[in-house]
Amino acid sequence: GIQVEQSPPDLILQEGANSTLRCNFSDSVNNLQWFHQNPWGQLINLFYIPSGTKQNGRLSATTVATERYSLLYISSSQTTDSGVYFCAASGNTGKLIFGQGTTLQVKP
Amino acid sequence: SAVISQKPSRDICQRGTSLTIQCQVDSQVTMMFWYRQQPGQSLTLIATANQGSEATYESGFVIDKFPISRPNLTFSTLTVSNMSPEDSSIYLCSVKSGGRGNIQYFGAGTRLSVL
Repeated sequence: GIQVEQSPPDLILQEGANSTLRCNFSDSVNNLQWFHQNPWGQLINLFYIPSGTKQNGRLSATTVATERYSLLYISSSQTTDSGVYFCAASGNTGKLIFGQGTTLQVKP
Repeated sequence: SAVISQKPSRDICQRGTSLTIQCQVDSQVTMMFWYRQQPGQSLTLIATANQGSEATYESGFVIDKFPISRPNLTFSTLTVSNMSPEDSSIYLCSVKSGGRGNIQYFGAGTRLSVL
């Protein structure tokens, strides 16, 4: 099945800094999603982006399906951006497979 | 989007007992999924629950330990049987939206601690 790898595993930023999180996947996908898990454990859908580019406020994402990677950009980071960011992908099986996550800490 | 309600939101259980987690969706969906997130780890798919058929379990998960029911298109239960401290995790229900492509939505999860 699909394998999903995320980098970096951990990231510490000062408030106001920009960051890029990367997600590599091993096969062609029909679904790729980015999530933010808040400190209470809830998964928040950020983007559904099997290909192309999307933006939502300070966040944007780009997936280059032919090269099997996706990037999540966070601009002007805030302390509320802290948490774990997951990339998840599915292929023909329809099973959404998660990467190991990037733990982001934004310091004031 | 799909609105998913999970019950209970959290529980503390004794070793050897069982807990049934309920998942209710506000619309009819074909596929429902159950995930486990162990402390400090990512999410792992336990099984896929399709209405009218047996659940399909992933490698490392068995029906005797995690029996699943799917009586209709809006509801499913996951039971964690004969619990041990290693079962302490967050258990999440997920559905695939039939409208907007393949987007999957997740419930708020059930935080289980086994003593």
